Amino acid sequence: GAVVSQHPSWVICKSGTSVKIECRSLDFQATTMFWYRQFPKQSLMLMATSNEGSKATYEQGVEKDKFLINHASLTLSTLTVTSAHPEDSSFYICSAHQAGGAYYEQYFGPGTRLTVT
Amino acid sequence: TQLLEQSPQFLSIQEGENLTVYCNSSSVFSSLQWYRQEPGEGPVLLVTVVTGGEVKKLKRLTFQFGDARKDSSLHITAAQPGDTGLYLCAGQFASGSRLTFGEGTQLTVNP
Repeated sequence: GAVVSQHPSWVICKSGTSVKIECRSLDFQATTMFWYRQFPKQSLMLMATSNEGSKATYEQGVEKDKFLINHASLTLSTLTVTSAHPEDSSFYICSAHQAGGAYYEQYFGPGTRLTVT
Repeated sequence: TQLLEQSPQFLSIQEGENLTVYCNSSSVFSSLQWYRQEPGEGPVLLVTVVTGGEVKKLKRLTFQFGDARKDSSLHITAAQPGDTGLYLCAGQFASGSRLTFGEGTQLTVNP
């Protein structure tokens, strides 16, 4: 149980276009989902916290108009990278906190590799 | 700002050697987790510790949580090439679910 999927697993797009990444909790309801980005050989950096039915909370330095997050249901959160640039190329990972679960339990998705050319 | 310092950042050892990775903070953790990540994949949870002084073992891996809940360590005995990967500690400083990650330790075990 407690499986989180991400789609797509990798995507290549051209500069100036927008890309949407989906994060789904497959067998549980997630009241909160988190979005991270990770550069090669580095740790995860939290970008934003997404709560179902409300606006996401962004970390300092993360542009909310560039990284649009929508958490429309208890099993789906989306991250849209708008007007992508090569510096947005990174590994994006989501995690989900199970509704009613222990506060420390978080389940990670397999990640999405974004390459902007 | 609540920071979590992880060391060492890089470690290259020979098969059969032992190693320890450290995770420290000046703040008290409500819980701390250790993850292992392979390239191109998401982190995989190894263990969660919540009680000060707690020790958990997972085969050749031993995890300790400091009595004051400000530090933790991961010890690997007789490392194998299959242990190669990025090891991450992540802590929660309150009962909310937001995680703060350490810088990570890139471990390479050479045959």
